[in-house]
Amino acid sequence: DTGVSQDPRHKITKRGQNVTFRCDPISEHNRLYWYRQTLGQGPEFLTYFQNEAQLEKSRLLSDRFSAERPKGSFSTLEIQRTEQGDSAMYLCASSLDFGTSYEQFFGPGTRLTVL
Amino acid sequence: AQSVTQLDSHVSVSEGTPVLLRCNYSSSYSPSLFWYVQHPNKGLQLLLKYTSAATLVKGINGFEAEFKKSETSFHLTKPSAHMSDAAEYFCVVVNLYGQNFVFGPGTRLSVLP
Repeated sequence: DTGVSQDPRHKITKRGQNVTFRCDPISEHNRLYWYRQTLGQGPEFLTYFQNEAQLEKSRLLSDRFSAERPKGSFSTLEIQRTEQGDSAMYLCASSLDFGTSYEQFFGPGTRLTVL
Repeated sequence: AQSVTQLDSHVSVSEGTPVLLRCNYSSSYSPSLFWYVQHPNKGLQLLLKYTSAATLVKGINGFEAEFKKSETSFHLTKPSAHMSDAAEYFCVVVNLYGQNFVFGPGTRLSVLP
C-alpha cells in the first residue's frame, strides 16, 4: 500500500497524559498536513510542512501541541497534558508542492479519546 | 480569507433519484475547489476538483459539479443515487498556492431503498 498511513488508529488516554501520533506520507510528497476533525464537523487545519520546515500553524494549535517532520519524511504530532476537549480524529494528508491542483491525499486518521 | 458554506447538513434521497449537494464559497481570488467524500471509518477520498479549466467537472462514481463564479457556487450532482453513495461529503476551497485547504462543515447523504 503506497497511500498515507497513520499510527495508531485509535488511542484512549487519561486526561493529563501525553500522546504522540505518527504519519507516513506518500513517499514522493514533500508537503504534509495535520488536521483535526470533531464529530459532525469538517476537518480543521492545524499545521503543515514543506519538507522538514513547518511553514504554518493554526491558532488552534495551542502550546500543548507540537509537530515535527525531522527528515522531511514521516511526521509526529504530540499533545502534552491532554484535555477532554482534545478528543477528536486527527488526520494527516500529503501532497506535492507543484501542479495545478495540489490535491491532498488523506490517511485513515487517529481517533483520540481522552477520559 | 476563504470560507465554505454547505447549505444542507443532511440530505436524504431515494435510490435511483438525483442527488444535489450545495456548496457556496467565498474567496478573494479565483480559487481551486474540491469535493471529498468520507465513508464511515474510512479516509477522505477525492471525488472531483476544479482548477480554472472547464467549469463542468466530472468525477468518480458518476458525480459531477459545476463552477459558477457569478453565484460563487460549486454544487455536486449525480443523476441517480446508489446505496453506496451514503456518506459525508465535504466541499473544500483552496488558496492560490495550495497550502490552505478550508473545509465546509459537510453534508451527510442518506440513500433510502
